Amino acid sequence: QQPVQSPQAVILREGEDAVINCSSSKALYSVHWYRQKHGEAPVFLMILLKGGEQKGHEKISASFNEKKQQSSLYLTASQLSYSGTYFCGIDGGANNLFFGTGTRLTVIP
Amino acid sequence: EPEVTQTPSHQVTQMGQEVILRCVPISNHLYFYWYRQILGQKVEFLVSFYNNEISEKSEIFDDQFSVERPDGSNFTLKIRSTKLEDSAMYFCASGGSRSDELNSYEQYFGPGTRLTVT
Repeated sequence: QQPVQSPQAVILREGEDAVINCSSSKALYSVHWYRQKHGEAPVFLMILLKGGEQKGHEKISASFNEKKQQSSLYLTASQLSYSGTYFCGIDGGANNLFFGTGTRLTVIP
Repeated sequence: EPEVTQTPSHQVTQMGQEVILRCVPISNHLYFYWYRQILGQKVEFLVSFYNNEISEKSEIFDDQFSVERPDGSNFTLKIRSTKLEDSAMYFCASGGSRSDELNSYEQYFGPGTRLTVT
């Protein structure tokens, strides 16, 4: 049930945009996005429940394409504080999350 | 703001010993979880717990592992006869209150317990 994330790593300059993709081979009930900074616990960003749903959180937003069984996380005008590893977690129906391998995002000045 | 707490922050144990990792979930949450993260790898689901019983468990969660909610606040993960490969960060998470739709809640993670098996 492990989702596949891409890219594995990305380096941005402050102010640049990035897209992180998450896809699953199985049907998705919901997609959760988390950010984890080194040595810390994952922090919840957002949850998407319905096909086509998009959510936004400051300059971080996400979409969920239920038919394609994928979700994308959009980071616009990146800030240094956005650095970390981003995980998507898919819920196969029991609200137990199966996380992808993560995308390491580094924002440099 | 309420948060999930975990103790200890770091546990060192010898192979073959038993360890108990402790968690205090957020008080009005109904669902509790244990995840683990081997250094540099992804977060892996171990077990979920609801209404005083295991609701789901992964293939990682074998007979070596057990969970318990001994009282109204604590949630524990016991690892019997630890192995070197059990070394990892163990995260407790909780989510879902009575006011949430039960398929739409976020999970709040605790700070983790780093388990080192020597």
